[in-house]
Amino acid sequence: GNSVTQMEGPVTLSEEAFLTINCTYTATGYPSLFWYVQYPGEGLQLLLKATKADDKGSNKGFEATYRKETTSFHLEKGSVQVSDSAVYFCALSDSARSGGGADGLTFGKGTHLIIQP
Amino acid sequence: KAGVTQTPRYLIKTRGQQVTLSCSPISGHRSVSWYQQTPGQGLQFLFEYFSETQRNKGNFPGRFSGRQFSNSRSEMNVSTLELGDSALYLCASSLVLSQETQYFGPGTRLLVL
Repeated sequence: GNSVTQMEGPVTLSEEAFLTINCTYTATGYPSLFWYVQYPGEGLQLLLKATKADDKGSNKGFEATYRKETTSFHLEKGSVQVSDSAVYFCALSDSARSGGGADGLTFGKGTHLIIQP
Repeated sequence: KAGVTQTPRYLIKTRGQQVTLSCSPISGHRSVSWYQQTPGQGLQFLFEYFSETQRNKGNFPGRFSGRQFSNSRSEMNVSTLELGDSALYLCASSLVLSQETQYFGPGTRLLVL
């Protein structure tokens, strides 16, 4: 079946540091890949996405590149801010399920990011 | 455009009771999916509805059910509540297919005592 693996943390960085959160996946078909962010007490917000190999998703200074050869979708940001403190989820959506349906999004466990001033 | 809304935001129930949660998708979105989020299991897919029909279902017992109305609004129901059902229940909508980008609501936090 499908799965997503990411570091759980917490990951603690100083403001303006470089961020990498690793994400690798296993899928039977040709998944779309997503990063979602969850702030305390809130639902999930879409951060960025990529739908095919070598696509780069970007938003608010965050980037991730869909690497089919390494089955990875690592999240990066050049200079983090205190306001980036949140839980980040890597997820995939697989369209290859028989019958054309999909079992929703498959999520990683989430990475708790703490940015210190 | 208004986002996904969920009601109520918080609920406290006791074991054995049943509960109904509501979700209104983004206007024009026809697919609604439900997820359960717990500290132990993380985010798990419950089911997806499209055009008033359940299209996919995750690995949850039959106590968990849902439905979708003609205006795409959806409800999920949990019967005979157990302590382990305490969780944040998230609803997400997408235009047509759940493989497309899903937009999440703020969730309903359910506490079962």
